[in-house]
Amino acid sequence: DAKTTQPPSMDCAEGRAANLPCNHSTISGNEYVYWYRQIHSQGPQYIIHGLKNNETNEMASLIITEDRKSSTLILPHATLRDTAVYYCIVRVDGGSQGNLIFGKGTKLSVKP
Amino acid sequence: NAGVTQTPKFQVLKTGQSMTLQCAQDMNHEYMSWYRQDPGMGLRLIHYSVGAGITDQGEVPNGYNVSRSTTEDFPLRLLSAAPSQTSVYFCASSYTGTEQFFGPGTRLTVL
Repeated sequence: DAKTTQPPSMDCAEGRAANLPCNHSTISGNEYVYWYRQIHSQGPQYIIHGLKNNETNEMASLIITEDRKSSTLILPHATLRDTAVYYCIVRVDGGSQGNLIFGKGTKLSVKP
Repeated sequence: NAGVTQTPKFQVLKTGQSMTLQCAQDMNHEYMSWYRQDPGMGLRLIHYSVGAGITDQGEVPNGYNVSRSTTEDFPLRLLSAAPSQTSVYFCASSYTGTEQFFGPGTRLTVL
């Protein structure tokens, strides 16, 4: 079973920030938080990951709470092309321990 | 770089037939894996490999075989296709199992 809990769906207005929450209350000290997204019918795409510090890249920001039991993925200026299912995954980096366990994710709909 | 490629893109089989789904990557990644995705569901891990000559089972391995004779290729074999194997199959690769790159998928229908 997935170790994370996400809302099944969210809406966001185009141009606004999309904030996608994820609960991972049983996360272990050596587990990272990963975010992937899957645009309709395509293979999943890596977005960002972090251990305990906030992270930012060209696609998104990841905010992890101090107790590491939850996190938020932020798309700062959502576009229609960001409509996708977003998966929050916790995992240990490297080797077989790094296998991804997908839940059902959050279906983000960006509306004009 | 072509990244992760999968062939065929679509396939229709009859129950009991066998086939091989091909996956190749040109990024010199050690880690490769196969997932299946059923409608409305997340991806489930079938088999994975941490390097040439090394494979292991994932969450749903029954009915599938894999081998890894080269770093580049990781074929998935369906031994005797069943309707329950109708799904979209994704191959992925990564360097040391971190950020994973996924292929475009193979859509398989078993009648």
